[in-house]
Amino acid sequence: NAGVIQTPRHKVTGKGQEATLWCEPISGHSAVFWYRQTIVQGLEFLTYFRNQAPIDDSGMPKERFSAQMPNQSHSTLKIQSTQPQDSAVYLCASSPGQRNSDYTFGSGTRLLVI
Amino acid sequence: AQKVTQTQTSISVMEKTTVTMDCVYETRDSSYFLFWYKQTASGEIVFLIRQDSYKKENATEGHYSLNFQKPKSSIGLIITATQIEDSAVYFCAMRENTEGADRLTFGKGTQLIIQP
Repeated sequence: NAGVIQTPRHKVTGKGQEATLWCEPISGHSAVFWYRQTIVQGLEFLTYFRNQAPIDDSGMPKERFSAQMPNQSHSTLKIQSTQPQDSAVYLCASSPGQRNSDYTFGSGTRLLVI
Repeated sequence: AQKVTQTQTSISVMEKTTVTMDCVYETRDSSYFLFWYKQTASGEIVFLIRQDSYKKENATEGHYSLNFQKPKSSIGLIITATQIEDSAVYFCAMRENTEGADRLTFGKGTQLIIQP
């Protein structure tokens, strides 16, 4: 079991460009979560999927962020027209789905917008 | 809305001693789950231990244990016989036990420094 795999580990984009982040959850985990981590805000919830269906995207900035889970083996987080304030570590986590289950986190993608 | 607060920004202790990190939470639910995670210097976030709100016994896992005080909405993490490799940032998190409440809400974290 390779754990939750996130690619790329680091990404540098110019302001206004698009960034796509990838996540491969643990096989058999039904819930997939996206969080963003910054020094100021800490770990912020963005969105999550259960059995590939989007359940809660209340943490997503509405205009430029989108997430998809086209199949059970991967999820993507897309940021259009990136801004310097989008610079953060984006973390994907998966869980077996029971409410008392813990998360397994990926190593994260460090996004820098210059 | 649920809220998790860790007031200790940083703690420094000597190796082989015992340390307690504080966490308080807010919830309207009578049933919920509390978690502690550790983030190492490499950025890896690892699950440590969980407390179910309906259990009176404090959870233990290796040299980690919890001090669960439900009336005070408090869940402290206790690390005994600390080691250098315990140096990390520790996050407290909560999930309510209601339909659709699958996400974890995290505190801001406490940095633990173990000195030799």
